[in-house]
Amino acid sequence: DGGITQSPKYLFRKEGQNVTLSCEQNLNHDAMYWYRQDPGQGLRLIYYSQIVNDFQKGDIAEGYSVSREKKESFPLTVTSAQKNPTAFYLCASSATAQGFVGSPLHFGNGTRLTVT
Amino acid sequence: QKEVEQNSGPLSVPEGAIASLNCTYSDRGSQSFFWYRQYSGKSPELIMFIYSNGDKEDGRFTAQLNKASQYVSLLIRDSQPSDSATYLCAVPSFYNQGGKLIFGQGTELSVKP
Repeated sequence: DGGITQSPKYLFRKEGQNVTLSCEQNLNHDAMYWYRQDPGQGLRLIYYSQIVNDFQKGDIAEGYSVSREKKESFPLTVTSAQKNPTAFYLCASSATAQGFVGSPLHFGNGTRLTVT
Repeated sequence: QKEVEQNSGPLSVPEGAIASLNCTYSDRGSQSFFWYRQYSGKSPELIMFIYSNGDKEDGRFTAQLNKASQYVSLLIRDSQPSDSATYLCAVPSFYNQGGKLIFGQGTELSVKP
């Protein structure tokens, strides 16, 4: 079955360490996204990529980095520069870059990151 | 004004009742609207989308769109305890977002047996 796989499901890190969250999709989708969700809040866009080897900052990109070397993969690195990294991180993909009509997003199961 | 606004709730309805969830948006250029359901601790899942003014029905769910008033709503008929979740409204924004989906903060729905 096609889908989006995020790993790991839970991740614990010490403050000051960089950590990389994995996101892989086999839906053959062009666009991929990273969102962050804090308790009781909506989704905030971190980074997105519409094609391989290209990506753009979202609303809260500071302290994060991404790469898009393959169509299927869009890993997110949470760096030590991110002030409040503890959150629920969601990876998503869509068939085409969101244009005039808007393509629905398909989400992975998320990674819950705790930094102490 | 936020680009996409929802009442955070919680909205509590008895089992079997109609639950009505509302969402307003600020970008008049938006053409498509999405409703996602998110269970506690899980990722959002798409349940409805609507492009045209009026109603769109899918089983117990009805999406209603009024572009003139800039609101979209989701009705859940015969509400079940399994419908208890947070419902997120998402709208593409073109002001300065290049058509990216903007999410509301979500409305928490609780269906009481």
